[in-house]
Order: sequence, then structure tokens, then C-alpha cells
Amino acid sequence: GDSVTQMEGPVTLSEEAFLTINCTYTATGYPSLFWYVQYPGEGLQLLLKATKADDKGSNKGFEATYRKETTSFHLEKGSVQVSDSAVYFCALSDARLGGTSYGKLTFGQGTILTVHP
Amino acid sequence: EPEVTQTPSHQVTQMGQEVILRCVPISNHLYFYWYRQILGQKVEFLVSFYNNEISEKSEIFDDQFSVERPDGSNFTLKIRSTKLEDSAMYFCASRGQVEGKLFFGSGTQLSVL
Repeated sequence: GDSVTQMEGPVTLSEEAFLTINCTYTATGYPSLFWYVQYPGEGLQLLLKATKADDKGSNKGFEATYRKETTSFHLEKGSVQVSDSAVYFCALSDARLGGTSYGKLTFGQGTILTVHP
Repeated sequence: EPEVTQTPSHQVTQMGQEVILRCVPISNHLYFYWYRQILGQKVEFLVSFYNNEISEKSEIFDDQFSVERPDGSNFTLKIRSTKLEDSAMYFCASRGQVEGKLFFGSGTQLSVL
């Protein structure tokens, strides 16, 4: 079955440091890939997504590129801020966009990011 | 931005009791989901609901679980006879007809004693 593996956390960085959170996946076909973020006390929010190979999703300075050859979707940000402290989840959907099963996501274990001033 | 609302934020119950977790999805959404996250583990899909019926469910979603959309706004998850291993954070989510973006609530932390 489908699976998502994220790098082990937690990750602690200083402000303005470079961030990489690794994510690899196993899926049949051509899944859509997502990064979700959960700030303290809040629900999961979609950060970015990519629906086909070589697509780059980006939002709020974060980027991730859909690499089919390495089955990866690593999250990067060039300069993190204290406000980026949160839990980050990599996820996939192997259903077609808009279909009933599209919201059935397979998640990674989450990576806790803490950014210090 | 519109929000998915879940109540209560925390629920404590005794083993064997019934619990109902409540969710108010975004008003024009048509697809509804429940996920759960046991402490230290991955977020897991439980069930999806569309057109007033379950469209897909996981192995976790056994006969102890049920979902309902009793009116035009609420979406509930019922656990008929709770077990210790049902202790988890339960997330409700919804999305629109074509929009692929899933909106999550902030979760209900269920503790079964």
C-alpha cells in the first residue's frame, strides 16, 4: 500500500537558517503530493502541493519539487523565521483530482520544527 | 478563510461509554472526512462521506464507529463503546466539489480512561 516517510525530528534551527525536511513516498501510479503545517492549537493547513512529476509547489517561501525518479518531495525554505515553528506533515493522495477518494490522504509521521531567535 | 469547527476540543470518557465527536464543515463543501492521530503516530484516514453515505473507510473504522450528517451543517463521528486504544486526536476535514484543498478542523483530543 501507499506510504510516506519523513525525516526524523524534531528539527531545531536558528532564525534565517536554511531548512530541509526530507520526504519520500511509495505509491501506485502518479500520486498528488502535499505538505501540511500544523501550528500550535490549530488544525492542519495545506502549505503547498504538486500534482505531477517535476511540478514545484511553493507558498510562504517554502518550496518542494515532485521528484518521480527518487520518489521524493523534500520541503525547503531558504531563511526560516520564528513564526515557522510548527509541525510539518508530508502526505499523498493516489486518487484523481476532484474524485471522491482525493481527500483520502496518507500521511508521514510529522516533523516538529522549532526556530529560535 | 473559512474554517472547519470541531467540538469539544477535549473529551474524557470511561471505557465502554459512547462518545460523539462533532464537526461543522465549511458550508458549501460536499466531501467530509475523519482522521485520527494516536500520540506519537501518523495521522490516519478513518472514513470519507459523500452524498449522505460512506464512500470509503479504513480497516480502523469497524462496527464500533459510525458517521452521520444529521442536518445540513453538522457531521458527527460516534464511537459506540470506547476502548483505551481509541484515545487519540480526531480531525474532521471537508472539501468542495472540484477544489482539491482539504480543510481540517483543529481536532478533538479524546482520552479514554
